[in-house]
Amino acid sequence: GQQVQQSPSSLVLQEGENAELQCNFSSTATQLQWFYQSPGGSLVSLLSNPSGTKHTGRLTSTTVTKERRSSLHISSSQTTDSGTYLCAMNTGYQNFYFGKGTSLTVIP
Amino acid sequence: AQTIHQWPVAEIKAVGSPLSLGCTIKGKSSPNLYWYWQATGGTLQQLFYSITVGQVESVVQLNLSASRPKDDQFILSTEKLLLSHSGFYLCAWRDWGYAEQFFGPGTRLTVL
Repeated sequence: GQQVQQSPSSLVLQEGENAELQCNFSSTATQLQWFYQSPGGSLVSLLSNPSGTKHTGRLTSTTVTKERRSSLHISSSQTTDSGTYLCAMNTGYQNFYFGKGTSLTVIP
Repeated sequence: AQTIHQWPVAEIKAVGSPLSLGCTIKGKSSPNLYWYWQATGGTLQQLFYSITVGQVESVVQLNLSASRPKDDQFILSTEKLLLSHSGFYLCAWRDWGYAEQFFGPGTRLTVL
C-alpha cells in the first residue's frame, strides 16, 4: 500500500529557531496537505501543496512531485507552535494516506 | 462559511454494545465526506468515503459500517463494539476535484 514517511519523528526547538519537517511518499501525489494536530486531537489544515512552493504566514511548504517529497518550514518558532504536524497525500481518487507525524516542542 | 460538527464529543462504551457517531456539514452542498480513525499514539487511517447520498465506500473495515442518509450527514456505526475500536474518530469533507480536506473536531471513544 501507499506509504507516507515523516521525519524527524520529534523535534525540540528554542523559541525563535526555525524548523524543517520532511514528508516522503511512495507514489506520485495529486494532493499533498499539511496539518497541525492539537494535543486534544483536532486537525487544522495548514497548507495544501501538491507541487511547487506555497507560503502562509511563517509557514512555507515545498513539494517536489517527481521526487515524491514535501517539506514544511516554520520560521521563528513560537511556543504556541508546539504540537504534531501531519502530512497527508492522495494519489488521485478518494483514498488519503497520513504519515505518523512530527512532534514539535518549542521551549521558551 | 462551512462548518462541520461531530457528535458526541466523547463516549465511554462497553464491549459488545452498539455505537453510532455522527457528522454534519453545514454551508456546503454535495461535499465528499470521509471517516478516519486514530488509535492512541497511532497513524490516522481512512475508514470510509462518500461522494453522494446513499453511497459509501469502505477503505478499511474494522467491523464498522457507515451511511450517508442525507447530503449533509455521515454516520459511523457498529452493532458490537470491540476493545480495538477505542480511539479518536474524525470526519472530514472536501469539494470535488483536488481540493483540500477540512476536519471536524472529532469524537473520542473509549471501549471498556
